[in-house]
Formats: sequence, structure tokens, C-alpha cells
Amino acid sequence: EPEVTQTPSHQVTQMGQEVILRCVPISNHLYFYWYRQILGQKVEFLVSFYNNEISEKSEIFDDQFSVERPDGSNFTLKIRSTKLEDSAMYFCASSDGYRSAFFGQGTRLTVV
Amino acid sequence: SQQGEEDPQALSIQEGENATMNCSYKTSINNLQWYRQNSGRGLVHLILIRSNEREKHSGRLRVTLDTSKKSSSLLITASRAADTASYFCATAGDTGTASKLTFGTGTRLQVTL
Repeated sequence: EPEVTQTPSHQVTQMGQEVILRCVPISNHLYFYWYRQILGQKVEFLVSFYNNEISEKSEIFDDQFSVERPDGSNFTLKIRSTKLEDSAMYFCASSDGYRSAFFGQGTRLTVV
Repeated sequence: SQQGEEDPQALSIQEGENATMNCSYKTSINNLQWYRQNSGRGLVHLILIRSNEREKHSGRLRVTLDTSKKSSSLLITASRAADTASYFCATAGDTGTASKLTFGTGTRLQVTL
């Protein structure tokens, strides 16, 4: 079965550093998403991406965040200057627009 | 309260028993989905029910949707220890299946032998 792949599985970074989280969505999917889950809390929507542009973003997705689809396969989330409160599990998801979204296994980001 | 709240927050049952989890939401939806998350791991899609459906089955899972009450339930029959996980409902807005998902707070299910 096709799957969404995220790398790395765990990233530790110092406060103020930039991080890039990578995702390879399912190949024929057109809609891409990032969500995050702070430990012990609910999964929160960050941003959706379609046709090479952001289609929707949440209040969390401020100027420190950006997304990119640099080539035909990767979808990245960049956090420019990480804060302690950015520590969370980040999930990438993709969808063909007709069925449910498929989620990756997540990247656990720890900001120290 | 927020969109997508499950109850109970935690549920402990013995293997072989049925587990029922409930979810309430506030806004109009295109569909409602249930996901499972093993501790610290990814989200596994279980089942999707559309707003014009009332009940759906998949293996040992039964989902109901009552749009008049803005609520859904997930029933896991004949539970197994491997069903131990957190279960989340997630609603997709009325812009369609591609719209963002709004997740609930989750139910932690513990199935003991």
C-alpha cells in the first residue's frame, strides 16, 4: 500500500535554529498538509497546499513557517527560528481529494 | 467546547468486550473520520463516513453519524490487546474531502488481557 514518508523521524535542534522537515507524499496525490501535535494534546492543522500554493493556513502558521514543494516529489516544512514551544510531533499528509488523507509517521521535533 | 470532542477521555476494558467512543462537533461537515494512534506514532486511518451516511462498518468497527445532533460514535467489537491506542475523530469541512481535518481531543483505550 502506498504511504507518506517523513524524514527525519526525530530532530533535535537548538532554539533559534532553522529546521526543515521533509515529506514524500503519495505520488498521485494533489493535496498536501502539515499538522502538528504537541505532546499530550490534539492534532492541529497548520497548512494545506494545492497547485503549488498555500490553500489554507491556521493561526499557528505564522511568518516563521513556510512550505515548499521544491520538486515533483518532496514537500517540506521550514521553521526559520525555532522556539521551545515548537517542540511537537509534525505530521505530513496527502490526499487525492476524494478519499481520506494519508498521514506519515511523523517527525518528532525537540527544541532545546 | 471545541470542534471535535471525544468522550470518554479514557476507557479501560477487558479483551473480548466492546468499546464505544463518542465524538461531538460544532460546524457543518462533509465527512467525519476516525484515526488510531499508537503511543508516539503516526495516525492510522480507520474509517470515513460521509455526511449523507448514517452508519458504516469495517471489520470489527462500526461508525454511526447523527448530523442532527452533530455526533458520531465508534464501536470496536470483540476488542483485542492490540486495539490499545488513542482514537481520534476528525471532521472535514463542507468544502469537500480535500478540506483540512479538525481533530478531536481523543479517547485513550486500554484493552487488558
